[in-house]
Amino acid sequence: KNEVEQSPQNLTAQEGEFITINCSYSVGISALHWLQQHPGGGIVSLFMLSSGKKKHGRLIATINIQEKHSSLHITASHPRDSAVYICAVRSESVATGNQFYFGTGTSLTVIP
Amino acid sequence: DAGVIQSPRHEVTEMGQEVTLRCKPISGHDYLFWYRQTMMRGLELLIYFNNNVPIDDSGMPEDRFSAKMPNASFSTLKIQPSEPRDSAVYFCASSNREQFFGPGTRLTVL
Repeated sequence: KNEVEQSPQNLTAQEGEFITINCSYSVGISALHWLQQHPGGGIVSLFMLSSGKKKHGRLIATINIQEKHSSLHITASHPRDSAVYICAVRSESVATGNQFYFGTGTSLTVIP
Repeated sequence: DAGVIQSPRHEVTEMGQEVTLRCKPISGHDYLFWYRQTMMRGLELLIYFNNNVPIDDSGMPEDRFSAKMPNASFSTLKIQPSEPRDSAVYFCASSNREQFFGPGTRLTVL
């Protein structure tokens, strides 16, 4: 079982659509990251969350600690948003220290 | 700042050879991470350092892999001997809070 599950795995949207990508995790976490990887391979950290909500431009990330769930929203999607979005969590425990777990990514394609 | 710098960007080598990947983190960042990405396994954390000290190397696949951070501005990931299954893109990232990723090194082991 994966500690981090993302859905959907693949998503195709028309330009302008509102997009939601979901991330559920099964471990206690100290932080959750949303990463964006473009077709060229480069990775950019979009958000780091430990509670609540963050907004950056057209991107919004939310986290519900009690439900162990996070969502990444893209408003007014654009073809340049086409990328793979990866959810990652940092888990801390006395037994294992810091552990990082990664989702398998959501591949988003935005069609003009 | 130029961001996280990795070299080489591409490496092709033959099975059994030693491979050394290099990373220069962003100045002032206390954390440095080495990741590996493959189609089969996605993104995996191999090891990370805090103030040049290795904190968690549980992601290092086996003894053939080793990483060092001799100072705050340089780290290496070494594979000796390399095997075809080591073929992947290796990313270095540095952070104080948010992580900044380097462009990656695409390694192909023939």
